[in-house]
Formats: sequence, C-alpha cells, structure tokens
Amino acid sequence: DTAVSQTPKYLVTQMGNDKSIKCEQNLGHDTMYWYKQDSKKFLKIMFSYNNKELIINETVPNRFSPKSPDKAHLNLHINSLELGDSAVYFCASSQGAGADQPQHFGDGTRLSIL
Amino acid sequence: DQQVKQNSPSLSVQEGRISILNCDYTNSMFDYFLWYKKYPAEGPTFLISISSIKDKNEDGRFTVFLNKSAKHLSLHIVPSQPGDSAVYFCAASGWNAGKSTFGDGTTLTVKP
Repeated sequence: DTAVSQTPKYLVTQMGNDKSIKCEQNLGHDTMYWYKQDSKKFLKIMFSYNNKELIINETVPNRFSPKSPDKAHLNLHINSLELGDSAVYFCASSQGAGADQPQHFGDGTRLSIL
Repeated sequence: DQQVKQNSPSLSVQEGRISILNCDYTNSMFDYFLWYKKYPAEGPTFLISISSIKDKNEDGRFTVFLNKSAKHLSLHIVPSQPGDSAVYFCAASGWNAGKSTFGDGTTLTVKP
C-alpha cells in the first residue's frame, strides 16, 4: 500500500499548456511538500503545507500554484509551461514540520516540455 | 549559494568493505542532519539522522558522524552490500526551519 503516491508518473506536454500533478499520502502526516529535481540532480524545495496552511513558499514563479484540499492531499498546478519546467517533481510528507521529522517521498513525476 | 555539498559525485567499493560518503555544509544555523537513499525511478527514502548535539549515531550497518567545527558529516556503511548501490543524499535543517536543504547526491556502487 503506497504511502505517498503521485500521479501521473510521466507527463509530456507542449510549451504554454497548463497541467496538474496530484499527490496523496495515507500516513496521517500533517505536513506535505513539493520538491523539484533539476538536471543537476539537486532537490529544491518549492512549497510546504502544514495542516493545509502554506508555511514555505520558496522563490517559485507565480505560474506554480499548490492547493491542499485536505491534510492528505497536496496538488501542484502549473500554468503556461516553459522549457525550464522540465524536471522531476517529488511530493513528500512528514509527521510535523520539525527538523527531526524524516520526509516520506513519492516516486516522482517526470515532466517533459516539448 | 549551495549550502550543502557532496563533493564526490560517485563512489565504488567492493562488497564487504566500508563505504564512506561525505557531506559538507556552510550554514552554521543547521542543527539537524539526515541521510536519504534513492533508487532509480523511486523517491528518496530516509536512512539515518543526527542532531547537532551528538557526534555519532548508529543504526545497524549505518553510522553517521558529525564534526560541527569542520561543518562536515559522513555516512559509513559497513559491510557494504550490492543492494546498497543507490544515490545517497545528505540534507540539513535548522531546528524550526520547516524545510531541509539537500546536497546533490553521491552515487554509490557496491561491486559483488
């Protein structure tokens, strides 16, 4: 039974389109995250939600909009996709937002912009 | 500004020997450190962590050492097994930061 699941696993689309990636966790965690892993393999945090409230919003273009309908879900919507958005996007969750709470990651969504 | 660095992109060791993966950080506000392991086409999975009040934490074959004065941590795997072949990320966080800063990973290959 997958703990953190993301859909879709692969997403190929054209520049200018709008797309969404969904994330669900069944661990009962309070905190969820979105990370971007670029071609240099760095995992960079984009957003973090705690109990459905946005607590971290790194320098991310306004075209990216996270939505947390409940504690178990954190979706990512991207408007007007650009070539530079091609990357692997990981969703994660943790019991709380404290530093000592390890994060549980989904398997990633590989986004390719044509 | 890369605050967490893993200077060795890859490491190859023989099965049964020790693997030592290194990580350096620059932010003195970091006080909690974690190691994650990642297989291809999967997300990272938590391996072991250490608080800045300690200099060593051990869990089975995995031991993490922290040298705060040098801003350096290392992960030791003894004995190494072929199933340990993966990418290893170190991550660092301030206690109330609510986020972890990741290094860019070291690919470990354990040869049978």
